[in-house]
Amino acid sequence: NAGVTQTPKFQVLKTGQSMTLQCAQDMNHEYMSWYRQDPGMGLRLIHYSVGAGITDQGEVPNGYNVSRSTTEDFPLRLLSAAPSQTSVYFCASLGQGNYGYTFGSGTRLTVV
Amino acid sequence: GESVGLHLPTLSVQEGDNSIINCAYSNSASDYFIWYKQESGKGPQFIIDIRSNMDKRQGQRVTVLLNKTVKHLSLQIAATQPGDSAVYFCAERVTGNQFYFGTGTSLTVIP
Repeated sequence: NAGVTQTPKFQVLKTGQSMTLQCAQDMNHEYMSWYRQDPGMGLRLIHYSVGAGITDQGEVPNGYNVSRSTTEDFPLRLLSAAPSQTSVYFCASLGQGNYGYTFGSGTRLTVV
Repeated sequence: GESVGLHLPTLSVQEGDNSIINCAYSNSASDYFIWYKQESGKGPQFIIDIRSNMDKRQGQRVTVLLNKTVKHLSLQIAATQPGDSAVYFCAERVTGNQFYFGTGTSLTVIP
């Protein structure tokens, strides 16, 4: 099992550009989520999904969209990047009976 | 909303010594807690967990203590090694699959 795979690992965007952060898991986990990690702050939940076709907002959803067409994939879209979205983004998944998240290795995004 | 905080942002210990990392939580209804380790440039990794009906749980070289009276968690690492250098943070489950994460303590092991 590869676990949770995130791409790209690094990205630089100009203000106003759009992009999609990819996340895929091969553990058949129903629950997937996106977090952002900023210096001096804990992980903050952006969006989450409890299964294919179902998504919901977390603590800081503004500026981000998600979709969950399959169990495996949970992409995060930035429609119009802003410097405030400079952060490290983590995707995580959680399976039935598994109480701890499995995290991806992160995407470091810089918006200039 | 609820938040999880840590008492110390940084901790330096000599190799071979024991390390203690603390965490305060504010939601008395939280029923499950996890400690994560995050090495530089990597995602957080599960270390150990504890349910609210327990006050102590031991793993390999790690022990988590839970004091519900004062809403406090601690992570003890025995015989700290250079490979233990990382950021450690706790997480509390507040509802369903939703967790709140602390800001983290940076542990540096001095050889």
